Amino acid sequence: AQRVTQPEKLLSVFKGAPVELKCNYSYSGSPELFWYVQYSRQRLQLLLRHISRESIKGFTADLNKGETSFHLKKPFAQEEDSAMYYCALRTSYDKVIFGPGTSLSVIP
Amino acid sequence: SAVISQKPSRDICQRGTSLTIQCQVDSQVTMMFWYRQQPGQSLTLIATANQGSEATYESGFVIDKFPISRPNLTFSTLTVSNMSPEDSSIYLCSVRDRGRRSNIMNTEAFFGQGTRLTVV
Repeated sequence: AQRVTQPEKLLSVFKGAPVELKCNYSYSGSPELFWYVQYSRQRLQLLLRHISRESIKGFTADLNKGETSFHLKKPFAQEEDSAMYYCALRTSYDKVIFGPGTSLSVIP
Repeated sequence: SAVISQKPSRDICQRGTSLTIQCQVDSQVTMMFWYRQQPGQSLTLIATANQGSEATYESGFVIDKFPISRPNLTFSTLTVSNMSPEDSSIYLCSVRDRGRRSNIMNTEAFFGQGTRLTVV
């Protein structure tokens, strides 16, 4: 079965503290994973993807096939990072399956 | 990268009526996707709309309830039929296209701003 889980519905951290948003997936094929972000009153947009191995706005995510995880990390949280974060899996049929989302709140 | 416009952005409808949501893309795309986001929930894929063929529906969604049209490569509509309060959701159109950070081999999903539907 194809599935994406995000165990934390809500995560609050203080400004400057490290952030880790957890994501686990279930997929029988070779996974292609993404993190999408939705800031307040904006549309959903791509934050980063595992195949690019990039750092965007200080965020990184490493695919761990052994643990079937794709956790999103940032060493020092900023207030502007407050948003809804969705982990997503692209299937072989080009569909994108989304996790339930984690609402990140950065406390000043 | 694709720019997607959805209409209407929101609507309040009476139960038993139908609403058609339009999705316009500024470039030609092969596949368009319709998602539903119920209050407090994540995005759930309703169907994939291909030009020139019938839409492919996900488990739990049927054509009679959510008929889809795809007359060309830049436009699609989703109709929510015979609405009930349980259909109150945000409905999103999505396409895959090359993004600003993508090379020709990689694409990313782009989303419309969504249609917030309330059924009373």
